[in-house]
Amino acid sequence: GQNIDQPTEMTATEGAIVQINCTYQTSGFNGLFWYQQHAGEAPTFLSYNVLDGLEEKGRFSSFLSRSKGYSYLLLKELQMKDSASYLCAVLDSNYQLIWGAGTKLIIKP
Amino acid sequence: GAVVSQHPSWVICKSGTSVKIECRSLDFQATTMFWYRQFPKQSLMLMATSNEGSKATYEQGVEKDKFLINHASLTLSTLTVTSAHPEDSSFYICSARGFRETSGMEYEQYFGPGTRLTVT
Repeated sequence: GQNIDQPTEMTATEGAIVQINCTYQTSGFNGLFWYQQHAGEAPTFLSYNVLDGLEEKGRFSSFLSRSKGYSYLLLKELQMKDSASYLCAVLDSNYQLIWGAGTKLIIKP
Repeated sequence: GAVVSQHPSWVICKSGTSVKIECRSLDFQATTMFWYRQFPKQSLMLMATSNEGSKATYEQGVEKDKFLINHASLTLSTLTVTSAHPEDSSFYICSARGFRETSGMEYEQYFGPGTRLTVT
């Protein structure tokens, strides 16, 4: 079966750094997405990785290791507005997105 | 700016009535549209996938006669919840996929803002 695992909830302090991990087992791989979802709102796109390595975009970076079936989202200089759920999703061999359950990130002052 | 719009953003209806939700891609042609449902504090649940001009493919457990999906054009898909009941109250989100020149990506899914349905 297809499976994506990510922690259910994480807590971090404002101004700090947090890393949200995602491991996956899917039928084929055509890329991995990270989305941010604030409570009561639809998900918004953060990043897309299809090759191994680190992609940096401002305070957010995303890393992929295809051989390990592993990705992480790194958030630096955390702000209170970063409190949200972060969804990991893999594009499988049929180009369908397989979604993780999301990681709820709580930022404390 | 927004690339996918969804209307209405919220709706309250009486049990037994039908509700139609529209999803439009604003600056690209959406070859595929997806409909999701999300209950409070739960993850996204894919309901169905539709390609323009063809019948939608429903996920297991989703009643196709209750959740009617029409993808008549490359910019519009509709979801009609027929004979709605209180247990259908949820957050319904559409997303669209297609090539956008500005992103250069074909497989990114752009989400609409969602429709909160409350059935009384």
